[in-house]
Order: sequence, then structure tokens, then C-alpha cells
Amino acid sequence: LAKTTQPISMDSYEGQEVNITCSHNNIATNDYITWYQQFPSQGPRFIIQGYKTKVTNEVASLFIPADRKSSTLSLPRVSLSDTAVYYCLVGDEGDTGFQKLVFGTGTRLLVSP
Amino acid sequence: DADVTQTPRNRITKTGKRIMLECSQTKGHDRMYWYRQDPGLGLRLIYYSFDVKDINKGEISDGYSVSRQAQAKFSLSLESAIPNQTALYFCATSDFRETQYFGPGTRLLVL
Repeated sequence: LAKTTQPISMDSYEGQEVNITCSHNNIATNDYITWYQQFPSQGPRFIIQGYKTKVTNEVASLFIPADRKSSTLSLPRVSLSDTAVYYCLVGDEGDTGFQKLVFGTGTRLLVSP
Repeated sequence: DADVTQTPRNRITKTGKRIMLECSQTKGHDRMYWYRQDPGLGLRLIYYSFDVKDINKGEISDGYSVSRQAQAKFSLSLESAIPNQTALYFCATSDFRETQYFGPGTRLLVL
């Protein structure tokens, strides 16, 4: 079961780009990397998922180096509403050897005016 | 996400009482999950179910039981509630190799 390590907290200002890095040295061949966002008293919400290289959607980008031992979630031009906890998960949601996706404590991002 | 509903949203109970938390989903997913979250901590998996006939223990199943009544319904029971089960409980659903969709959560206080 891959374990992830992320910074406990980060601070930023509106309009800045925020990069949150997650380490997952024991990632397995079949594992995907998934990021979720959670606002207080709400359930986590899917942001982005990737396997290798770069993935981009309307919300964020995910950068994964060739060795896949880390990944970086990039939030362009953050706003106050991006203040939340961000979780990096590594696992395989398939049937074979299902690995429960461990949420960990996440990274608490605070965006200030 | 309105596709995943949890009832009740808030509940106060006393030590020793039996309580059931219910989860319903309209996404048509086969997989359902129950997590708990304690203040300042991440989510921990209690039970998960890949289909109606499949139930699996998660990281912290002691003191909990579940029932998968139908594809759309997955209930979590605390047979004899204790104060350290005070937490925020989330239900989630997913399909094979897809990400999870979470309900709004149930805030439980055990006195």
C-alpha cells in the first residue's frame, strides 16, 4: 500500500499559482495518483487524476515525473474560495488487489487577500 | 453532491445506544464506502462494498457494522455507541476504476 507525504499546510495570496507536492516513493505499477479537495464540513471532491507525465483540466494541472515517486498539483491563480484541504491519494481502484485509498491528513491551503 | 445523500445530517446520542446512519445514491454505482473523519485528521475507511453481496472491512471496522440493502443503499450501524465514535461520517460511491463521489456527511455526537 503506497504511502503519501504532503506538507501539512501552505499559505498563498489571491492570484498566485500554488504547487502542492506529494511524495509516494512506494508507488506500484498499477497505481494512479488522485487529488481531492475538501471544504470544511463537506465531503472530499475529486480534482484530478493521472498516471504519468502531465494532466490538465479546467481546475488544475498534475505533474508526474518519469519515476512517479512524486507528483505536484498546480492550482493556477488561486482565489479565496480555493482555501481547503487537499489530499493526495495513490492506489489502484481496480478489483485485483484493491488497495484502500488512504486520505492521510492532507495539505491545508489558506489563500489570503 | 446531491447524487449521494446521507441521513441524518446531525445526530446526538448516548453511550450504549444503537444508531444507524443511512446512505443512498442515484449514480448507479456498484461500489460504496463508509469513512469517518476526526477533527484535523484525514478520512479513515470503515467498510466498503463492491456490490450487494460483497462487504469488506476497512482500516477501522471495530465497533461498526454495515448492511448493503440494495445497489443504491449502504447503511452503517453502531451497535453500542461510545464517545470516541464521535466524528463526521462520510459515505462515498464509485464505479470500477473511477473516482469516488462523497455525500454531505453525518455529524455524530456520542455523549
